[in-house]
Amino acid sequence: GQNIDQPTEMTATEGAIVQINCTYQTSGFNGLFWYQQHAGEAPTFLSYNVLDGLEEKGRFSSFLSRSKGYSYLLLKELQMKDSASYLCAVLDSNYQLIWGAGTKLIIKP
Amino acid sequence: IAGITQAPTSQILAAGRRMTLRCTQDMRHNAMYWYRQDLGLGLRLIHYSNTAGTTGKGEVPDGYSVSRANTDDFPLTLASAVPSQTSVYFCASSGGEGTDTQYFGPGTRLTVL
Repeated sequence: GQNIDQPTEMTATEGAIVQINCTYQTSGFNGLFWYQQHAGEAPTFLSYNVLDGLEEKGRFSSFLSRSKGYSYLLLKELQMKDSASYLCAVLDSNYQLIWGAGTKLIIKP
Repeated sequence: IAGITQAPTSQILAAGRRMTLRCTQDMRHNAMYWYRQDLGLGLRLIHYSNTAGTTGKGEVPDGYSVSRANTDDFPLTLASAVPSQTSVYFCASSGGEGTDTQYFGPGTRLTVL
């Protein structure tokens, strides 16, 4: 079966750095997405990785290792507004997105 | 309209009733999707459409139907609602056949009693 694993909840301090991990086992791989979802709102796109390595976009970076079936989202200089759920999703061989359950990130002052 | 809109925002429905959730996008995206999101679970694909006139079944299609008469609209119908269909429903669209980033509507919160 297809499976996306990510921690259920993480807590971090304002101004700090946090790394959210995602491991996956899917039938084929055509890219990995990270989305941010604030409570009661729709998911919004953060990043897309299809090649191994690190993609940096401002305070957010996303890393992919296809051989290990592993990705992480790195958030720097955390702000209170970063409190949200972070969703990992993999595009499988049928070009369908398989979603993880999401990681709820709590930022404390 | 800018992006994707969904209607209604929320709805309480008696079991056995028929309900259509509406979704409209103005980005001329080819592909559209319907997901449900339940607490503790990832987004689950109900139905999708790669282009106007075609539809396909996702992971959890039972009890739901869709149509894609044109590029902009992708309604989701519950023929006879059951309490297990209580969920938040998101419509999304993407520019290609699933290879591009998906953009989401604001969601419909549906409660079936």
